[in-house]
Amino acid sequence: DQQVKQNSPSLSVQEGRISILNCDYTNSMFDYFLWYKKYPAEGPTFLISISSIKDKNEDGRFTVFLNKSAKHLSLHIVPSQPGDSAVYFCAAKDSNYQLIWGAGTKLIIKP
Amino acid sequence: KAGVTQTPRYLIKTRGQQVTLSCSPISGHRSVSWYQQTPGQGLQFLFEYFSETQRNKGNFPGRFSGRQFSNSRSEMNVSTLELGDSALYLCASSGAGGSFYEQYFGPGTRLTVT
Repeated sequence: DQQVKQNSPSLSVQEGRISILNCDYTNSMFDYFLWYKKYPAEGPTFLISISSIKDKNEDGRFTVFLNKSAKHLSLHIVPSQPGDSAVYFCAAKDSNYQLIWGAGTKLIIKP
Repeated sequence: KAGVTQTPRYLIKTRGQQVTLSCSPISGHRSVSWYQQTPGQGLQFLFEYFSETQRNKGNFPGRFSGRQFSNSRSEMNVSTLELGDSALYLCASSGAGGSFYEQYFGPGTRLTVT
């Protein structure tokens, strides 16, 4: 039973355009959400996070939106750059302080 | 500040053997989590240690075990290796300053079982 779902295994976006990565969750008790970026043969690196008391958090080109009623969060990257090509994971913190991870979305930025 | 380090980076073992992987967290971090990543899969949670105690455990067989030392360094052990254990094993630390829940990952140990 996947509590955190990233339904798009891959996404291709033109350089300079907006990339939107989506994540859905089923557990309404999740209270903190994180996005990570992973290059091949490296560990994931933290990108941005959001608490459940907020609906938006921005950091430079990255913005995360949280829609609690829909149990949905999204990561917007504007403008998309070639170095953004990577696998993106969303994760949610449960009441046991454990991070529950999605399966990842591979983002490909086309020049 | 030094990042999370994992040793060794690469390992080749034979089916039936056992292996120990090591992780040194970021200084001041008290939580260490271990994950398994296989091709095409997301991160599968193995276990988490906090202050030398296992706080959370994923759905892996008992062949996978771990421990944490008083300096927060952690080891994981896999006994009786199977071919399916070939994977990238990632360690992550968290728990000091900033957000407690942000995990910082090491580069991983690539284990190949033949």
